[in-house]
Amino acid sequence: DIQMTQSPSSLSASVGDTVTITCRASQSVNTYVNWYQQKPGKAPKLLVHTSSILHDGVPSRFSGDGIRTEFTLTINSLQPEDFATYYCQQTYSSPTFGQGSKLEIK
Amino acid sequence: QVQLQQWGVGLLKPSETLSLTCEVSGVSVSTSQWRWIRQAPGKGLELIGEFSENAGSDSDASLMNRLTMSVDTTKNQVSLRLTSVTAADTGVYFCARQTSCRGGSCYSYGWFDPWGQGTPVIVSS
Repeated sequence: DIQMTQSPSSLSASVGDTVTITCRASQSVNTYVNWYQQKPGKAPKLLVHTSSILHDGVPSRFSGDGIRTEFTLTINSLQPEDFATYYCQQTYSSPTFGQGSKLEIK
Repeated sequence: QVQLQQWGVGLLKPSETLSLTCEVSGVSVSTSQWRWIRQAPGKGLELIGEFSENAGSDSDASLMNRLTMSVDTTKNQVSLRLTSVTAADTGVYFCARQTSCRGGSCYSYGWFDPWGQGTPVIVSS
């Protein structure tokens, strides 16, 4: 299985900040990485697919980038509703998820 | 718009069988790929099974042939059955559709969207 390693596992930030979460794949996955947001007690929601394509209805302050083994999710101008846990996922082979990055309010 | 609605019994004793159903609207269950994901308490997301009518099923090796997935085309539902549950099977179970097309554009590999709302499952004696 392809391992996905996210960093940091947790981070704190303030409303208005910009944060970046990194995801590294154990082998090349081309651009087939997706990002999800999960809030407590809720199902994950798709934010970005195929590394950088914003899903319908996702605010433009979210952006994804990367290729092969290095991927990032950046959130500009954090809003209160952005505090959640974020997961990367590769679907290049049997899908696997990163361990999650919990974004908390500072 | 594709929507998934889950239901199933959430409290089980060890050795019992977990049965979950995901009712699908907006797309035929026959033409899509379905995924089951488990999230242990306080943990991350784990893909435990994949199913489609044309490709069959595949499940995580750790489940050791306890997992069965199927679709009911008459009811447009996707189902999961996990036998001989233990406390290690406790968690929230999600169904999801894997798709690789959106807005007329298709890609080689896909993403999970939408997800069901999740079913909490507790296995306890």
